[in-house]
Amino acid sequence: QKEVEQNSGPLSVPEGAIASLNCTYSDRVSQSFFWYRQYSGKSPELIMSIYSNGDKEDGRFTAQLNKASQYVSLLIRDSQPSDSATYLCAVIYSGTSYGKLTFGQGTILTVHP
Amino acid sequence: DTGVSQDPRHKITKRGQNVTFRCDPISEHNRLYWYRQTLGQGPEFLTYFQNEAQLEKSRLLSDRFSAERPKGSFSTLEIQRTEQGDSAMYLCASSLVRGTTNEKLFFGSGTQLSVL
Repeated sequence: QKEVEQNSGPLSVPEGAIASLNCTYSDRVSQSFFWYRQYSGKSPELIMSIYSNGDKEDGRFTAQLNKASQYVSLLIRDSQPSDSATYLCAVIYSGTSYGKLTFGQGTILTVHP
Repeated sequence: DTGVSQDPRHKITKRGQNVTFRCDPISEHNRLYWYRQTLGQGPEFLTYFQNEAQLEKSRLLSDRFSAERPKGSFSTLEIQRTEQGDSAMYLCASSLVRGTTNEKLFFGSGTQLSVL
């Protein structure tokens, strides 16, 4: 059973702080990794994708991938109350079609003023 | 901006009844996916279409579930003889795939099903 594991939280950080969200996956040869944000009652929204080891930055978001450790993380700098949401880690396992995502259970992030 | 549209947004039904959901993908997208999400969990893959062809079905998709995408446009997901365990958010997503290029998946707002 190929799995994606996240700490369900909730993770609470003060406004302006760095929020760090973590995810581990079970298939060593997986190639594609994604972070989605989901507000309560809404659909998931893609915020970051990463395919190679290292860091990828987009505005206040940085995705980090370590394939040797089977670990992917998302850092949110200068956290804002509007960042409060559930963050879903998703993986496309090797040998599966693009779009067939395996999601973790999500981490609830709360940013308090 | 015409994103992925799903109808209805909410559906309440009694156990044993049949329900059908509709998804209209972004018009030029050739792939369409169905996912199911229960409270506190991430979405789970159910099935996907490339144009009108259903290419893969999850083992989660029991015989009571059937999906179609006639003419490669909109898609329907039907659940027959609903059970309380079918209560979930049913999410549709679409993407445009050309060759080996990875394209972004766009999700619809989902249909929330409650089986009483």
